[in-house]
Amino acid sequence: AQKITQTQPGMFVQEKEAVTLDCTYDTSDPSYGLFWYKQPSSGEMIFLIYQGSYDQQNATEGRYSLNFQKARKSANLVISASQLGDSAMYFCAMREDYNDYKLSFGAGTTVTVRA
Amino acid sequence: EADIYQTPRYLVIGTGKKITLECSQTMGHDKMYWYQQDPGMELHLIHYSYGVNSTEKGDLSSESTVSRIRTEHFPLTLESARPSHTSQYLCASSTGGGSYGYTFGSGTRLTVV
Repeated sequence: AQKITQTQPGMFVQEKEAVTLDCTYDTSDPSYGLFWYKQPSSGEMIFLIYQGSYDQQNATEGRYSLNFQKARKSANLVISASQLGDSAMYFCAMREDYNDYKLSFGAGTTVTVRA
Repeated sequence: EADIYQTPRYLVIGTGKKITLECSQTMGHDKMYWYQQDPGMELHLIHYSYGVNSTEKGDLSSESTVSRIRTEHFPLTLESARPSHTSQYLCASSTGGGSYGYTFGSGTRLTVV
């Protein structure tokens, strides 16, 4: 069964606007972490933001915020004030602490920022 | 400045050749991982290690093998490359739990012709 689901293969956003990338996850592990990574065309993985399963507040890192809805098993990424450099593929990932700390990835969402 | 290094960055090689993809990290992390990623697709875990002399197969079956003789070094080997092995291979390391995520290398883009 798919552990991480990203239902948006591609999205277009206007420069300076906000965009929300959807992510749902599936786990029975009570202790887990949720990550978002950015992958530009060069191929490297850039860590953006982290949310722990026991964290009470939504994580924020600069222009990135994570909308964590634990009961719905949802961890959407919000990018505010989009920039042309934000054009990339974005991956949601989950680490299950009782599953050898392995990191599982979703299929990714390609974001294209238009000027 | 990268703390985890992968070489080569790009590799084009003929079918049947033996290849080793190098991965080294300077952070002293016990946990290291290899992921395989086809263009525009998700990452699949193919191998991981929790420390010296520890290696495990990941969720995606792979014909490659790995070794972990030193904490900082986690090479991946293909004994006989085939066109089906053409992909990007990403190495990562981690301390485990908590907010410290995985640190990824720049990847090796392998093309087998």
